[in-house]
Formats: sequence, C-alpha cells, structure tokens
Amino acid sequence: DIQMTQSPSSLSASVGDRVTITCQASQDINNYLDWYQQKPGKAPKLLIYDASNLQRGVPSRFSGSGSGTDFTFTISSLQPEDIATYYCKQYDNLPTFGQGTRLEIK
Amino acid sequence: QVQLVESGGGVVQPGRSLRLSCAASGFTFNNYGMHWVRQAPGKGLEWVAVISYDGTNEYYADSVKGRFTISRDKSKNTIYLQMNSLRTEDTAVYYCAKATGYLNGDFDYWGQGTLVTVSS
Repeated sequence: DIQMTQSPSSLSASVGDRVTITCQASQDINNYLDWYQQKPGKAPKLLIYDASNLQRGVPSRFSGSGSGTDFTFTISSLQPEDIATYYCKQYDNLPTFGQGTRLEIK
Repeated sequence: QVQLVESGGGVVQPGRSLRLSCAASGFTFNNYGMHWVRQAPGKGLEWVAVISYDGTNEYYADSVKGRFTISRDKSKNTIYLQMNSLRTEDTAVYYCAKATGYLNGDFDYWGQGTLVTVSS
C-alpha cells in the first residue's frame, strides 16, 4: 500500500496569509494526486487534480504543485471561507488519503 | 446536475449486517468507477471499496476485506455496500464518490453521506 504523509496536522493563519500544506508519498505516484477541502458536516470537495490542475469553479487562490513523491498545496491569500480540513489523496494505486490538515483563522 | 444520494445507514449491533445504497443521476453511470469512503467520528477520510464501471472488478481496503461487498445495478443507477460482521470500529459516515475513470481517478462528485453506528 502507498502511504501518504501530510503535514502539518493543523495550522493557524491570518486572513490574507499564504498557506502551504505538504504531502509525501511512500513511492512515486506519477502525479496521481488530488487535494480535497472538507468543511464541518459536509462531504469533501475536489479542489486540485493530477497534482496541479484546478478543478472547474474553484477559486484561483488555490494551487498545487509537485511531482514524484513530494507535493504542495497552497492558498495564496487565505479567506475566511477557506476554514476547513484539507486532504491529499493518491490514486496511482488503490486510493489512500493523507491524515488531513485542519486550517484555522488566527 | 450530478447527484449521489446515499441511504441505508442506522444503528446496528456488532456482528450484524447492513446494506448501504447510493443512487446516482446526472451522468452516464455505466462509464465510471464508483467508490465508498468512510469517516469515523472526528477522524480523517478512509477509502473503503471500489467497483469498476462495468462491475467486473472490485477492490477493498484491508480493514473491510472479506466482510464488505460492493456491487452495482446499472438498471437502477445504484451502487451498494453490503456490510457483514460489523464491528464497533466500522462506525462512521459512509460516502459514495464518483471517480473520473473507469475504475479510479479523482473523486469529482460525492454524496452527502450516511451514518452507520455499530453499538450494542
């Protein structure tokens, strides 16, 4: 099984800050990496697919980068509505999720 | 528009069975793999099972292998998760999700989730 190590587990930032989350795979996953946003009591929402592609309708302040085993998710300017938990997921093999990053407003 | 609607959750005793359903609409159901993902209370997301677009391939997480069975009915545009020998650690919100490929891929649409509570 491919393991996904996501960090940090929680993050506190101010409105307007640049926020970065990382995800490391236990082996090369050929850029088959997504990022999801989950707000309390809601289903996850796809934000970024194939490591760096913005899902239709998602604001451009969200972005993803990386390749091989190391990936980064960035919010360029944090907005109050971005408060959520963020997950990476690989699908090079059977899917596995990262542990999640809980993002809070400072 | 794409809709995925789960049903069948509830409270069940350990060792008993439960069947979840996920009714799909708004897309060509027979073209995509479908997945179940669960989330225990206060915990992260855990992938559970997948069934291929044509129903010929199924894969499971080790935690449910041999106890859960995923299936699909193309006449009803519905997938199912038959859960047997339930354990307290199976307590979670269960989501169905549509993949962007024949088996795997991004999960571009999710249902609202159905809560399964395993408790005596």
